[in-house]
Amino acid sequence: QKEVEQDPGPLSVPEGAIVSLNCTYSNSAFQYFMWYRQYSRKGPELLMYTYSSGNKEDGRFTAQVDKSSKYISLFIRDSQPSDSATYLCAMSDPSGGNEKLTFGTGTRLTIIP
Amino acid sequence: DAGVIQSPRHEVTEMGQEVTLRCKPISGHDYLFWYRQTMMRGLELLIYFNNNVPIDDSGMPEDRFSAKMPNASFSTLKIQPSEPRDSAVYFCASSFGRLQETQYFGPGTRLLVL
Repeated sequence: QKEVEQDPGPLSVPEGAIVSLNCTYSNSAFQYFMWYRQYSRKGPELLMYTYSSGNKEDGRFTAQVDKSSKYISLFIRDSQPSDSATYLCAMSDPSGGNEKLTFGTGTRLTIIP
Repeated sequence: DAGVIQSPRHEVTEMGQEVTLRCKPISGHDYLFWYRQTMMRGLELLIYFNNNVPIDDSGMPEDRFSAKMPNASFSTLKIQPSEPRDSAVYFCASSFGRLQETQYFGPGTRLLVL
C-alpha cells in the first residue's frame, strides 16, 4: 500500500462548479501538507501549504487537513478553465531533519467552459 | 530570478547509452532535489542535497543512477547505461532552508530511451 493515495481521475466539471480533490495517507508522522498544481508539460508549482490540522483559505482555494482521519482535501470555488491541470498532494514528516516530500500520483482536472 | 533551469528539455537516446541531465538551482537555495515522474508511479524523490552534500539517496533506483553537485549552482543526474524503463520526466527542484513548502520545480527533462 502506498503511503499517500490519490484518485487519479480524470475529473471533469463545468465552469463555476465547486471542485473537491482528496488524498488519504497512512503515515501518522506527516505534519506538513501541500497541494501542487501542474500544468501540462510543466513542473509542479506550490498552491497551498498547511501545517498540522485545520483549514487554510487563499482566494478561491481552501485546503483542509483532518489528521484524525488521515485525510486532506483541496476545494476550488467558482472553478475556471485556467484551473484545468493535474493537482498533486504532498506531505512530509519533519522529524529527524527529514526534508523529503511524499507525493500522491495526482488528479487530472478539466474545467469545461 | 530565472527559476530552476534544467537541460536538456528533451532527450531521446538508445538503450545502453549514457544520459546526463543538468540542473541549475535558484541562487541562494541550499537544498536541491531530483525527482522522477511517471504515469504509473507518480512523482518520486531520487536524491537530495544540502549545501552540495548528498543527504538521502535512498530513492535512487539502481547503481546505474548517480548524482553530483560540484557547487551551489550546478547538479547533474547521470544514467549509465540507460534502459527503456528509465523513460520518464525528471525534475529538479530547489528550496531555501528546511521549509518544505518552498520547493520550486524546474520545467523537467523528458527522457525517452529506445
